[in-house]
Amino acid sequence: GEDVEQSLFLSVREGDSSVINCTYTDSSSTYLYWYKQEPGAGLQLLTYIFSNMDMKQDQRLTVLLNKKDKHLSLRIADTQTGDSAIYFCAESKRAQKLVFGQGTRLTINP
Amino acid sequence: DTGVSQNPRHKITKRGQNVTFRCDPISEHNRLYWYRQTLGQGPEFLTYFQNEAQLEKSRLLSDRFSAERPKGSFSTLEIQRTEQGDSAMYLCASSLSGDNSPLHFGNGTRLTVT
Repeated sequence: GEDVEQSLFLSVREGDSSVINCTYTDSSSTYLYWYKQEPGAGLQLLTYIFSNMDMKQDQRLTVLLNKKDKHLSLRIADTQTGDSAIYFCAESKRAQKLVFGQGTRLTINP
Repeated sequence: DTGVSQNPRHKITKRGQNVTFRCDPISEHNRLYWYRQTLGQGPEFLTYFQNEAQLEKSRLLSDRFSAERPKGSFSTLEIQRTEQGDSAMYLCASSLSGDNSPLHFGNGTRLTVT
C-alpha cells in the first residue's frame, strides 16, 4: 500500500537541531524527498536521497535513510526562525509520482 | 530559471460554476503534474503528462475534472459544476523525465467554492 507517515508537530529552540521523522511502507520506492511549505506558498524542494544511499548532507541539512526499517529523517542544524514551515516527506513511485505524508509543522521558539 | 508559474493565485467561485486554472512549467521540462492539497493534508496526485500525452489519472479525478496540455508546454485544469468539496489548493509541478529528476512545484491556485 501507499502510506507515508509523519508526526504533525515539532517545536525547537532557535539554534538547536531539528529532527523530523518519516516512515513509509513501499520498499520499491526509488527516491525519497523532503519539501518545505511556507504559509500560502507551494512546495520548495529541499533535498532528496536515492534509496541505495543511507545518508546525504547538504549544508545545514542531513538526511538519514534506514531502508530496512523504512524510516527517513531530516536534521536541520542550527535551526533559525526562517526554518518555520511545514515539512513534507514524499516517496516516489513509477514516473516520479510522489506520495506525500501529512507534513510536520516546525515551530521555532526564541 | 523562472520556475513553475500558476494562475490565478486565488479563485473564489459559486457552487455550480466552472473554473479553469493554468500552469506554465519550467521550459525544458517534459513532464507536468497536477496535485490537490486540502487543509492540513499533504498533496495528492491527480494526473500527469509526458509532453502532450496524459499518461495517468488518479481515481480522485472525477468526470467533472479535465486536464489538457495541448502543445506539450502549458497545461490547464478545468473543474465543471464546482462543489464545495472542490475547495483546495491545486498545485502544478514539472520535471524532466527520468527517475532521478525531482519535481519542482508552483505556488498553487487556491480555490474556494461558496
